[in-house]
Amino acid sequence: AQSVSQHNHHVILSEAASLELGCNYSYGGTVNLFWYVQYPGQHLQLLLKYFSGDPLVKGIKGFEAEFIKSKFSFNLRKPSVQWSDTAEYFCAVNTGPNRDDKIIFGKGTRLHILP
Amino acid sequence: DVKVTQSSRYLVKRTGEKVFLECVQDMDHENMFWYRQDPGLGLRLIYFSYDVKMKEKGDIPEGYSVSREKKERFSLILESASTNQTSMYLCASSGSGGPGQPQHFGDGTRLSIL
Repeated sequence: AQSVSQHNHHVILSEAASLELGCNYSYGGTVNLFWYVQYPGQHLQLLLKYFSGDPLVKGIKGFEAEFIKSKFSFNLRKPSVQWSDTAEYFCAVNTGPNRDDKIIFGKGTRLHILP
Repeated sequence: DVKVTQSSRYLVKRTGEKVFLECVQDMDHENMFWYRQDPGLGLRLIYFSYDVKMKEKGDIPEGYSVSREKKERFSLILESASTNQTSMYLCASSGSGGPGQPQHFGDGTRLSIL
């Protein structure tokens, strides 16, 4: 069965530090990849997505992610975090063109930015 | 902008009660989903629907049922609520424009079963 693994459950950084959140998935075929973010008290929202083409995708608020097919990875990065990036981040994967394919979410990474 | 509206932000019910959680989306999306979100477990899919009157079990359907009588509305039903169903429930919708459409989420309903 497909699965998504996020390496860190809780990350604490200071403002201006660089961020990389790990995400690996287990599926050998075509994938669509997502990162979602949930700010405190708010609903989950899409940060960025990869369908095809350039494996480096850019999202909102300065985030980017790189799809490395050989490593089954889709790590999220930001060169300089801000206090407002404090949130929970979810990696997700959708595995192909069939209608009943579901989006599978990782367990999330709580990011806490110290001012 | 897609709007997914869940009927309650907070709900408190008693063990054994039948509980209805309502979700409405305003973007004519075909696909709708119910998840529960628990700390350390991420989002787990309960049920989903790709069309009116159609439903599919997700990963944890036990103790739940759903109803989709109209395209814009997807209801989650706890047949006989139990304390282990205390959780945050999230509704989502997505369009049918090919695989991997992003999902749009509601604000969630925090349900407590006493």
